[in-house]
Amino acid sequence: GAVVSQHPSWVICKSGTSVKIECRSLDFQATTMFWYRQFPKQSLMLMATSNEGSKATYEQGVEKDKFLINHASLTLSTLTVTSAHPEDSSFYICSAPIASGGSYNEQFFGPGTRLTVL
Amino acid sequence: AQSVSQHNHHVILSEAASLELGCNYSYGGTVNLFWYVQYPGQHLQLLLKYFSGDPLVKGIKGFEAEFIKSKFSFNLRKPSVQWSDTAEYFCAVPFTGGGNKLTFGTGTQLKVEL
Repeated sequence: GAVVSQHPSWVICKSGTSVKIECRSLDFQATTMFWYRQFPKQSLMLMATSNEGSKATYEQGVEKDKFLINHASLTLSTLTVTSAHPEDSSFYICSAPIASGGSYNEQFFGPGTRLTVL
Repeated sequence: AQSVSQHNHHVILSEAASLELGCNYSYGGTVNLFWYVQYPGQHLQLLLKYFSGDPLVKGIKGFEAEFIKSKFSFNLRKPSVQWSDTAEYFCAVPFTGGGNKLTFGTGTQLKVEL
């Protein structure tokens, strides 16, 4: 099956620093990728849609200047958490869809990145 | 906008017990429904999906779900659970208007005891 990887799998940083998280589709191309955030014991919340060749689209309430997204190629999207603060500590998950010819394309999820901001 | 709700947040079962996890959706139009599973330390995987047709959907690992339109439900079932089914289960629907974005339920943590 399709594989999506994320790097790093976990990161600890100091408050005020920036952290970059990579999401790669290993065996398929993805013009679109999605970034989710999962708080402990809560569901995944969609943050933004990463679009290759154009700007990301952010969900309501998500600060685009705080969470910078760059879709550098058809297999790579990056999420940079700028000036991180402890409240940004969370589990960040990306996904990428594969076209299936139907109305909805199945998404494949990365293993997630655990961010802890001290 | 479409949304889903999951009623069981934590479920503990003994091996061989039957499982049913509830999922209700809010949207009354064309509905696509999904169940995902997240095993400890692993990424989300698709268990099964409903787009149209037979309301009883078979998924991987012996799971099934039934779409009941009159009840706005898509409950997940398994006749006999195994210890390896210990995981978190999420019900999901696409955002209204498509675009492949998903809205997830709050998840159900299932623990199967030997």
